[in-house]
Amino acid sequence: NAGVTQTPKFRILKIGQSMTLQCTQDMNHNYMYWYRQDPGMGLKLIYYSVGAGITDKGEVPNGYNVSRSTTEDFPLRLELAAPSQTSVYFCASSSLGGTYEQYFGPGTRLTVT
Amino acid sequence: GEDVEQSLFLSVREGDSSVINCTYTDSSSTYLYWYKQEPGAGLQLLTYIFSNMDMKQDQRLTVLLNKKDKHLSLRIADTQTGDSAIYFCAESIQAGTALIFGKGTTLSVSS
Repeated sequence: NAGVTQTPKFRILKIGQSMTLQCTQDMNHNYMYWYRQDPGMGLKLIYYSVGAGITDKGEVPNGYNVSRSTTEDFPLRLELAAPSQTSVYFCASSSLGGTYEQYFGPGTRLTVT
Repeated sequence: GEDVEQSLFLSVREGDSSVINCTYTDSSSTYLYWYKQEPGAGLQLLTYIFSNMDMKQDQRLTVLLNKKDKHLSLRIADTQTGDSAIYFCAESIQAGTALIFGKGTTLSVSS
C-alpha cells in the first residue's frame, strides 16, 4: 500500500494564480483532511470530509475549496493565490473505527510570490 | 476551549533519556497522540494513549498521562541522533474530527 500520496511536492505560484493540490489514499478510509503547517506552528485544519460527497470547513477554510467525489481522492483547490497561503500542506486520512489516528501524506510545499 | 501546549526545544546528549511534555485543555479528549516529523517529511505516528490509561510503553518509548492535570509526556530512552526531529502532541475528541496539535518540540541530539 502506498498510504497517502500528495502531488506536487513543491510549487511556486504567482499572486492571483490558481492550482489544485492532489491527495489520494489507498486504505479505504472514510475520513480525509487537509491541514496547513506554517513555520514554528502546529497544523491547522482547512477542510475535512467524512465520506464521498460530504465536506465541511475546518478552522482556516478561507481561500480554499475541496471536493470528494470518490473515497480515494480529496483535492484541495486554491483560487486567487495570496502570499498568506505560502505554507506546507498536508493531507491525512483515518478510518471509521479504531483509535482515530490519522495517516499523513508527505506534504506539498507551496510558495506564493 | 481547545489548546495544546508544548515546550519548543529540547537538547540532549546521545544515550541520555529525553522527556517531552505536553498539556492540553479539553478534558473530553479520547485519544492522545505523539507524532514525529523529520525535516522535509510528513508526520509519522509514533504512539498513542487512550484517555482511560495512565501509561503505555512501546520499546524505547514511554507515554505517561495525568488526566487530572491534563498532562502528557513522551519519554525516549537511550536517545539516538536519528531521534532528532520535531515531536507533536495531538488530541482527538471523536472520530472524524480534526486532531488538535501543539506547536511541536524540536529535539536535538548531540553525539
